[in-house]
Amino acid sequence: GEDVEQSLFLSVREGDSSVINCTYTDSSSTYLYWYKQEPGAGLQLLTYIFSNMDMKQDQRLTVLLNKKDKHLSLRIADTQTGDSAIYFCAEFSDSGGYQKVTFGTGTKLQVIP
Amino acid sequence: DTGVSQDPRHKITKRGQNVTFRCDPISEHNRLYWYRQTLGQGPEFLTYFQNEAQLEKSRLLSDRFSAERPKGSFSTLEIQRTEQGDSAMYLCASRQTGDAGKLFFGSGTQLSVL
Repeated sequence: GEDVEQSLFLSVREGDSSVINCTYTDSSSTYLYWYKQEPGAGLQLLTYIFSNMDMKQDQRLTVLLNKKDKHLSLRIADTQTGDSAIYFCAEFSDSGGYQKVTFGTGTKLQVIP
Repeated sequence: DTGVSQDPRHKITKRGQNVTFRCDPISEHNRLYWYRQTLGQGPEFLTYFQNEAQLEKSRLLSDRFSAERPKGSFSTLEIQRTEQGDSAMYLCASRQTGDAGKLFFGSGTQLSVL
């Protein structure tokens, strides 16, 4: 089955780097994602990585994937107050033709000015 | 606005009443998903459609819940005989087959059952 785990809270100072971690259990996941949710809003896709990649960089965002350990991380460089939000890790699974995305519990990022 | 839209944004109802939510996906997306999110939790999968066919339902979806997507475009989620435990944010998302599984979410419907 699928289970995605994240730490609940992270606090960083503005300008520092943030690293949000995630572990997942479905070794057959083909894609892994990071979503951002601001208060009262839906989820916004930030970035994703294909399971045969180790790293993906997109401007201030760097995703690292350790498939052996089933560990995914999101690094945000030069963190800004506008980055304060909840960040969800998610995995895509395709089981018997049924495709769905399973989300972690979310990490609340607080950026201190 | 070509994103996913949900209506209403907020719904307050009394226990025992029926409620219906609507989702309009991105027009070219053939897959539509419903998720439920409670405070402090990530979205939990409820059900999904490929075109008008409902392909999978979570065990979270009791027989009081029903979802439809009659013409393969918009979808409705109905909850009958609401209970206080149904209070949550109901999120709709859509995607196109083969597009790296990327889901695009609406802003959600916040349901409060009194």
